[in-house]
Amino acid sequence: AQSVAQPEDQVNVAEGNPLTVKCTYSVSGNPYLFWYVQYPNRGLQFLLKYITGDNLVKGSYGFEAEFNKSQTSFHLKKPSALVSDSALYFCAVRDIAHSGAGSYQLTFGKGTKLSVIP
Amino acid sequence: DTGVSQDPRHKITKRGQNVTFRCDPISEHNRLYWYRQTLGQGPEFLTYFQNEAQLEKSRLLSDRFSAERPKGSFSTLEIQRTEQGDSAMYLCASSLKTGGYEQYFGPGTRLTVT
Repeated sequence: AQSVAQPEDQVNVAEGNPLTVKCTYSVSGNPYLFWYVQYPNRGLQFLLKYITGDNLVKGSYGFEAEFNKSQTSFHLKKPSALVSDSALYFCAVRDIAHSGAGSYQLTFGKGTKLSVIP
Repeated sequence: DTGVSQDPRHKITKRGQNVTFRCDPISEHNRLYWYRQTLGQGPEFLTYFQNEAQLEKSRLLSDRFSAERPKGSFSTLEIQRTEQGDSAMYLCASSLKTGGYEQYFGPGTRLTVT
């Protein structure tokens, strides 16, 4: 069964500093990995994905994430945090069997609340 | 706005009543998903449609829950005989069949069972 762990419930960072939100995953096949952001009273917004290829993927709003197969991690990063980045961030995984088949469901972590301090 | 829409946004009901939620996906998306999110947790998968066919169902989808997508466009999620434990945010998402790796989510329907 697939699972996602976000070890930090909350991350605080000063505006202008780099930020990292951690995610590790467990799958039986190959992972498709995603980051979503959720603002209060709004739905989840897609930020970026790793499907295959370059381990460093770039997404919306200056965010990027690095896929590390040996550490089964997919940490979200941004070089310079903005106050407007304060939100709830979710990592998600989809398990793809080696045959290419697999479930279409996403399994989410519990989320990490990011607070950017002015 | 061409995103995923859900109706209603909020629903308060008494225990034992039936409720129905609607989801309209992005128009060219033929895959549709329902998730449930409770406070402090990430979304949990409930069910998935490709066109009108319901192809996956989670163990979370008890006999009191039923979902339909009759014409392969909008979808409904019905909960019969609601219980307080059903209180949650119900999220709908859609994606493309080809290259549709990411799912796009609607704003959700918040259900409160009193």
